[in-house]
Amino acid sequence: DTAVSQTPKYLVTQMGNDKSIKCEQNLGHDTMYWYKQDSKKFLKIMFSYNNKELIINETVPNRFSPKSPDKAHLNLHINSLELGDSAVYFCASSQVGNEQFFGPGTRLTVL
Amino acid sequence: DAKTTQPTSMDCAEGRAANLPCNHSTISGNEYVYWYRQIHSQGPQYIIHGLKNNETNEMASLIITEDRKSSTLILPHATLRDTAVYYCIVRPDTGRRALTFGSGTRLQVQP
Repeated sequence: DTAVSQTPKYLVTQMGNDKSIKCEQNLGHDTMYWYKQDSKKFLKIMFSYNNKELIINETVPNRFSPKSPDKAHLNLHINSLELGDSAVYFCASSQVGNEQFFGPGTRLTVL
Repeated sequence: DAKTTQPTSMDCAEGRAANLPCNHSTISGNEYVYWYRQIHSQGPQYIIHGLKNNETNEMASLIITEDRKSSTLILPHATLRDTAVYYCIVRPDTGRRALTFGSGTRLQVQP
């Protein structure tokens, strides 16, 4: 009965490849987020979706494209991966204004 | 969102209370104080939040000063599993705001 799940947990790939990370929440929340935690452990918001609509899009390269097929899913697609994209990516969900529930993270390593 | 200041690290003996301070001197009237923690390699976990009054739940207590410029998170009986990075975050409770994480306090619970 995992609340927020992400797949895969680990992702190792070569520079220049395109990859996707999937996120699903079974909490019935209407808002989902993607955060990036870099090697210095700083957590930063990347995107936020509310009812399948993009509401926050921080300064993120346009190689990153979120896709929300429905309220329970928010996937992150990354084109032309670069070394600097190596990080842990966390998905989260919340009901508007309430506390956020985070997934276990996806550790992306770009070689 | 208002900026927060936390000590970089703290130690606490197992079974004792852990008191984690946070300064948020520029907090606005409509901003809440949220606490999250991140146990190593896991996603952040919501702990507690409050506006003016002190709050308590099964995990912790939150003490907010009368002028709301600072707060203290109290873990009443710290265990080794409470070893984590604790983040104090200030944000409005309305709208669809993402969380702005600082560097947090690394709490080490000692046996």
